[in-house]
Amino acid sequence: DIVMTQSPDSLAVSLGERATINCKSSQSVLYTSDNKNYLAWYQQKPGQPPKLLINWASTRESGVPDRISARGSGTDFTLTISSLQADDVAVYYCQQYYSTPFTFGPGTKVEIK
Amino acid sequence: QVQFVQSGAEVKKPGASVKVSCKASGYTFTTYSIHWVRQAPGQRLEWMGWINAGSGNTKYSQKFQGRVTITRDTTTSTAYMEVSSLRSEDTAVYYCARGHDYSSCDSWGQGTLVTVSS
Repeated sequence: DIVMTQSPDSLAVSLGERATINCKSSQSVLYTSDNKNYLAWYQQKPGQPPKLLINWASTRESGVPDRISARGSGTDFTLTISSLQADDVAVYYCQQYYSTPFTFGPGTKVEIK
Repeated sequence: QVQFVQSGAEVKKPGASVKVSCKASGYTFTTYSIHWVRQAPGQRLEWMGWINAGSGNTKYSQKFQGRVTITRDTTTSTAYMEVSSLRSEDTAVYYCARGHDYSSCDSWGQGTLVTVSS
């Protein structure tokens, strides 16, 4: 199984400041035949299901604010919230869908400082 | 809009089975797969398997192979996930979600809490 790790476990950021979350996979999730990274980012608020933010490592889903962006390839990925808003308080998960079982990272909790 | 309505919370005894339903609306059911993901209290999300709603083909996590069965009814646009031989470690919120076979999940149900307790 591909093991997903995230850092930090949690972070507290002032409103308007940048938040950066890292995600690492135990093996590459880049599928060379289509040159796509099979990596997604989700946001989960308490009592709610996850919400897909980013697909294919860097493609923002419709309706996701452009202050949220992601990058990376192979085994190392980053999600950035450029200017933290109160609505961004949540747990963020990365997920690989390169091979089954699809696996998620442990989550990073983002709070307001 | 795409929507999933899952069945209500369940309380089961160890060794019993539970079947959770997920009724889809707002899109053509057979053009997507339905994934099942669970989340135990305080734990990370855990992918269980998918069913291709068009073909009926399934793929399971090895962890759940033999104990989990995913089915669908195309006439009612409903997917089902049954877990047998329940144990306390199966206590979790179970989510259905829409995707394709090898894809992320772009729409999720509200979740069904399954509690396993003697």
